[in-house]
Amino acid sequence: EDQVTQSPEALRLQEGESSSLNCSYTVSGLRGLFWYRQDPGKGPEFLFTLYSAGEEKEKERLKATLTKKESFLHITAPKPEDSATYLCAVQSTNDYKLSFGAGTTVTVRA
Amino acid sequence: GAVVSQHPSRVICKSGTSVKIECRSLDFQATTMFWYRQFPKKSLMLMATSNEGSKATYEQGVEKDKFLINHASLTLSTLTVTSAHPEDSSFYICSAREHQSVKLFFGSGTQLSVL
Repeated sequence: EDQVTQSPEALRLQEGESSSLNCSYTVSGLRGLFWYRQDPGKGPEFLFTLYSAGEEKEKERLKATLTKKESFLHITAPKPEDSATYLCAVQSTNDYKLSFGAGTTVTVRA
Repeated sequence: GAVVSQHPSRVICKSGTSVKIECRSLDFQATTMFWYRQFPKKSLMLMATSNEGSKATYEQGVEKDKFLINHASLTLSTLTVTSAHPEDSSFYICSAREHQSVKLFFGSGTQLSVL
């Protein structure tokens, strides 16, 4: 069974204080690892898909990296609008469904 | 990016009634749609997978007679919560996948409250 563990559960940052979120995973065969952002009362918003170890992707202040066992989401110089819950999910080669971690709730104070 | 519309965003109903939630892919054809359930401050739990024109595949522990899923067209899937009870109160989210794509795009969710 696919498993995804995210840490920390919550992260409080000062504006401009860079940090990283961790996503550890086990999957029989990885098709892709996904990062989503979720705001309260909303559905997840797609951020990145990573397919193989060593791959990196960037979008504004966010950068995602992937190894064979984990992924990191780096937030550089965050702003209050980056406050959200960040979800990590894996998709196995068996099918297209996503197995999600519990998420990391990031709060950025001005 | 692809747009998935989910309706209604919020519904309050009496115990014993049925509620239908719609999920539409607006700018692509969704060969596969997924229905998730999310409890407060918890992650998304997959309920079922539906392919257009086929019966849905339910995850272990999900009652298929309570949560009826229909995926009759390439742009529309519906989830009907039958004979709803307070324990069915939750945030329901759909997602859709375009043929030959691995990406899943999510609707905005439906908050169901059963009194």
